Amino acid sequence: DTAVSQTPKYLVTQMGNDKSIKCEQNLGHDTMYWYKQDSKKFLKIMFSYNNKELIINETVPNRFSPKSPDKAHLNLHINSLELGDSAVYFCASSPPGGEQFFGPGTRLTVL
Amino acid sequence: AQSVTQLGSHVSVSEGALVLLRCNYSSSVPPYLFWYVQYPNQGLQLLLKYTSAATLVKGINGFEAEFKKSETSFHLTKPSAHMSDAAEYFCAVSVRTSGTYKYIFGTGTRLKVLA
Repeated sequence: DTAVSQTPKYLVTQMGNDKSIKCEQNLGHDTMYWYKQDSKKFLKIMFSYNNKELIINETVPNRFSPKSPDKAHLNLHINSLELGDSAVYFCASSPPGGEQFFGPGTRLTVL
Repeated sequence: AQSVTQLGSHVSVSEGALVLLRCNYSSSVPPYLFWYVQYPNQGLQLLLKYTSAATLVKGINGFEAEFKKSETSFHLTKPSAHMSDAAEYFCAVSVRTSGTYKYIFGTGTRLKVLA
């Protein structure tokens, strides 16, 4: 059973489009995260949700909007995609203070 | 403010040689510390973690790390490198602030293993 899953694995789209990435975890964790990893492998936290409530919202353009319908799901919607949004996006979950469990990543390419 | 510094964005070692990846942290409260590994085209997976029990922590694949409070360090070591250890390694700190935990990742160290 996959602990943290993301769909799609690859996403290729044109500038200006709107796209969503879905994330689900079956570990029973209350906290979920979205990270962006650029081409230099820097890992930047974007959002953190605890039991469906937003608790961390780093400096991210408001074109990015997370949605948590329940504590097992955290989706990421991106409006008006730009070239600079090309990256790998990781979803993760964790127990309080504990290790993070990462999904396999979604490679987004904006043309 | 909390921070994590990984010295050396690239480290090369020969197969069979000692692996040493450096991590220093800054935290005003006792932290939890982690090392993660990322193989090409995969997500991060946990190698080991320090959560205020033993200061020498053993992880998977023969890796270990020692928490040294006086040096604010949590360096990762492995006695003998294998080709399969080639990957990106991330040090991370988790600190409880204002009732929630904040994670901070280092910038990563790419380990290359030479035959």
